[in-house]
Parts: sequence; structure tokens; C-alpha cells
Amino acid sequence: RKEVEQDPGPFNVPEGATVAFNCTYSNSASQSFFWYRQDCRKEPKLLMSVYSSGNEDGRFTAQLNRASQYISLLIRDSKLSDSATYLCVVPLNSGYALNFGKGTSLLVTP
Amino acid sequence: DGGITQSPKYLFRKEGQNVTLSCEQNLNHDAMYWYRQDPGQGLRLIYYSQIVNDFQKGDIAEGYSVSREKKESFPLTVTSAQKNPTAFYLCASGLRGPNTGELFFGEGSRLTVL
Repeated sequence: RKEVEQDPGPFNVPEGATVAFNCTYSNSASQSFFWYRQDCRKEPKLLMSVYSSGNEDGRFTAQLNRASQYISLLIRDSKLSDSATYLCVVPLNSGYALNFGKGTSLLVTP
Repeated sequence: DGGITQSPKYLFRKEGQNVTLSCEQNLNHDAMYWYRQDPGQGLRLIYYSQIVNDFQKGDIAEGYSVSREKKESFPLTVTSAQKNPTAFYLCASGLRGPNTGELFFGEGSRLTVL
């Protein structure tokens, strides 16, 4: 299994829809996980951190399933401004750097 | 304002030339990183440094070199040995230690080899 794997999409959803992305990881010792958002031709920015079973921030919910080694990101009531690439991030086996997935592209349409 | 500054934003070079990308941070972070991103791809780790005067190779270090003489600065040199250097280069900084937390990125440098 690759260290971090994501469905590249693209996911095309209408405004107001709920959409979920999954990410699988290989390092079973990882303690922390992250979702970053990257707009076109811009730098990535932290969206959410996940340290235990999950985390919720407004319309965004991240969940962690350690047994199956995957994390998910749920976006409710999608907005046009949510259109971006969402990167799943897991620490490297050494723990001293972060490993980024290739990203899942989301396009929210009117 | 605290942050990370990368320069230049856009850079063109001829084949066979070395080029150095600058990265400066004033966030007082110990750790600094260089990633490379190609179109439609994720970020791939080139080099990282957890402390001054120490750095480690990432997944794709061949053809690149770095130095960490000051806490604030982590320049990346793309050498002529890098076979396919055209890419978007991102520098980041963060707290040092296992299970590194949030990384703060610069705006990136786009290198095009002509």
C-alpha cells in the first residue's frame, strides 16, 4: 500500500450537496492526520487536524478509522467557494515530516 | 506580519544552469521543508531540516542541495543534475518533532527550464 492514497476525483457536486472524500494510509503508527486545502496554483493551507476519532468544524467533519487505516472528510452544504483540491496528509514513518496525498479535486457548481 | 517568504515567484533558467530558490521564515520555527509539486500531482518531499546545521533527504533529493546555516533560512539549489526541474517548489516551516503538526507554506516558486 502506498503511504497515502486518495481518490483523485474530480468530484462535481451542486451547491448545497454533501460530499465525502476518503484517504487510506499505510503507517499504522501515525498519531495525527491532517486535511489541507489547495486552491489552483496556490500554496496548501491547513483545513483540519485529526488526532483522535474525529474532528468537526462547522460544515466540515473529519473522521479517523484506525482499524481500517483511513480518514475521511465530509463537507455539508457545499458552497461554490469550497471548490479546491483537498490533500490528505499523514506523518512519514520517521515522524519528522509530512507525507501528502495527491489530492482530491472538488468542483461545486451553481 | 509573521510568515514564510519565497523568492523568486517565477524563474526561468537554461538547461545546465544551477539555480537557488530562497526561503525565509520569521515564525521562529525549528523545522523547514522543501516540497516539489508537478501538475495534477501531490507534494513530494525534497529535503527537510529539523534544526540548524542539520538536514535530511526526502523522497526525491537527487539533483538538489540545501543548507541550513540560520534558523530563518533554508535555501534550495536546483542543480544541473536534476533531470526534470520544471515544477512548482514549495517551502514550509513548522514545529520540530515527531508527528509534526501544521505546516505553514510560502507562496511557492515556479521554475521553468527552457
